[in-house]
Amino acid sequence: ETGVTQTPRHLVMGMTNKKSLKCEQHLGHNAMYWYKQSAKKPLELMFVYSLEERVENNSVPSRFSPECPNSSHLFLHLHTLQPEDSALYLCASSQGKGYMNTEAFFGQGTRLTVV
Amino acid sequence: QQPVQSPQAVILREGEDAVINCSSSKALYSVHWYRQKHGEAPVFLMILLKGGEQKGHEKISASFNEKKQQSSLYLTASQLSYSGTYFCGTPVTFIQGAQKLVFGQGTRLTINP
Repeated sequence: ETGVTQTPRHLVMGMTNKKSLKCEQHLGHNAMYWYKQSAKKPLELMFVYSLEERVENNSVPSRFSPECPNSSHLFLHLHTLQPEDSALYLCASSQGKGYMNTEAFFGQGTRLTVV
Repeated sequence: QQPVQSPQAVILREGEDAVINCSSSKALYSVHWYRQKHGEAPVFLMILLKGGEQKGHEKISASFNEKKQQSSLYLTASQLSYSGTYFCGTPVTFIQGAQKLVFGQGTRLTINP
């Protein structure tokens, strides 16, 4: 248990569906992140929220839409996804805006399958 | 920007030692090490900040060379619980002064009885 909780743990969705992933942390951290982990690829950062302000990562397709209503909760809204979006989506949190000398705490991830 | 890890995979017998390397063509500000077991969250192991630094965590230790371009993770007398994928990561400033952790591709470690 790392203090970061993600739901659901598994999700299967069609390409026309709309779904949301949820992440929650009660560690008092002020930065939260979404990462994508595909098979045989390194962890890829998708979005960063620092003090509830979104820092864009321009390489992420618009079919992924993050939301951070407060410092403890983070959502990833999904719509019209493609099969290649199937992956493990990990949420992480840390204290501070950067990683220079602080660790990140990861949730257990949501295993997403797009059919 | 992505650090390169080697080897990609290691298979050991319990009690054997392993070394996992993480290198970059440019000096790194710091190096983070994480371990991820199958189906679980990556778990933080340690951060190295200074060139020449060495740090230990039970039988798992790491070093950061003087030029800060290479870090090595050492697992001695490996235990079954050490199995998993090990990632090194380094912070990179990208936009609006924020940093992101850029990870290596991972090293899969399998410990057999």
